[in-house]
Amino acid sequence: KQEVTQIPAALSVPEGENLVLNCSFTDSAIYNLQWFRQDPGKGLTSLLLIQSSQREQTSGRLNASLDKSSGRSTLYIAASQPGDSATYLCAVRGSQGNLIFGKGTKLSVKP
Amino acid sequence: DAGVIQSPRHEVTEMGQEVTLRCKPISGHNSLFWYRQTMMRGLELLIYFNNNVPIDDSGMPEDRFSAKMPNASFSTLKIQPSEPRDSAVYFCASSLRGVGARETQYFGPGTRLLVL
Repeated sequence: KQEVTQIPAALSVPEGENLVLNCSFTDSAIYNLQWFRQDPGKGLTSLLLIQSSQREQTSGRLNASLDKSSGRSTLYIAASQPGDSATYLCAVRGSQGNLIFGKGTKLSVKP
Repeated sequence: DAGVIQSPRHEVTEMGQEVTLRCKPISGHNSLFWYRQTMMRGLELLIYFNNNVPIDDSGMPEDRFSAKMPNASFSTLKIQPSEPRDSAVYFCASSLRGVGARETQYFGPGTRLLVL
């Protein structure tokens, strides 16, 4: 059974720092991996999707990498801003189309 | 597009009552997913449909939960009878399955359910 783990559970950094969020999964047979952002009391917003054949995806200040063989993904946020404060969720897609989520990393960027 | 639409946004009910949650997926999407989010367990898949057909309902916790998708633009998740442990945020998501990078799941704003 696929399990997704995110470390750390919470992270607090000063504005301007570069940071890395980690995600690991137990079964490397994935179709893709998605990173989402969730603001308090809100739904999920997709940030980046990496197909199983890809190594990384970039969008603005965000860069996500995927190492399928080791079961790891990282989300790199450059020059963090207070507006980046949110919970970041990692999810892997199995063969049936469903997503399996980690419990998230709650990020706080202090001005 | 308006995105995934869920109603109601908030629901407070008493134990034993029937609760019906509604979802309208993004037009043209062929897959629909119901998730439940709690502090203890995080986000968990309850059931998902492909082309209006339920594919996997192994995440549905008990017979008290049922879901339907009568057409491509509407789905319901029903809890009868409701219990306090059903209190959670229920999300609906949709995607266009099998189209590579476009297979991103788009989430609705969620329904916050409180069962007293």
